[in-house]
Amino acid sequence: QVTLRESGPALVKPTETLTLTCTFSGFSLITTGMCVTWIRQSPGKALEWLGLIDWDGDTYYSTSLQTRLTISRDTSKNQVVLTMTNMDPDDTATYFCARIENWKGFDFWGQGTLITVSS
Amino acid sequence: EIVLTQSPATLSLSPGQRATLSCRASQTVENYLAWYQQKPGQTPRLLIYDASNRATGVPARFSGSGSGTDFTLTISSVEPEDFAIYYCQQRPNWPPMYTFGQGTKLEVK
Repeated sequence: QVTLRESGPALVKPTETLTLTCTFSGFSLITTGMCVTWIRQSPGKALEWLGLIDWDGDTYYSTSLQTRLTISRDTSKNQVVLTMTNMDPDDTATYFCARIENWKGFDFWGQGTLITVSS
Repeated sequence: EIVLTQSPATLSLSPGQRATLSCRASQTVENYLAWYQQKPGQTPRLLIYDASNRATGVPARFSGSGSGTDFTLTISSVEPEDFAIYYCQQRPNWPPMYTFGQGTKLEVK
């Protein structure tokens, strides 16, 4: 059974760095073809892709956010970590992690975690 | 960056009617196009990948078609549980830089 769960602070201040953890089970991120990806959704808005890490540990980021994002993994803990620097109120959103297997879409999603950026 | 444009923004139908949702890419994405359904307060659900392949457990009334720049999601006969927002998503062949469309809301007429 594949599951993913996001965890992190609910509230961050402007200019701070956000660190979110995606803890997953039911698959191995070192299996060829496996990736974990991050997506966010501002209240009432569309989905926005942030980036991903693949089975080799290679990372790919949204062009518009790549200077602020880092995605890393701890394969021994089955965790993927997203860091986003210089947070702004416009970054207030629900942040999701999801699995990709062999590039066949985002097939399993975490429940998401709402991050509010406010002083 | 490839831009996806979905139309219409809102589609008003009655249960039993056929739904046709469109997604157009600003440049070719070959067949690397997926569709997701999102109900209020819920996580998105993968419906279709690679333009026309149904994900596991997706009912046969959902079908996807198209290639290149023009894609369609069709619901052959809308069920009450199908009223939701639908997003298309693409990735270029390489590197895997995904983008989503802005969504089409399927609402009850």
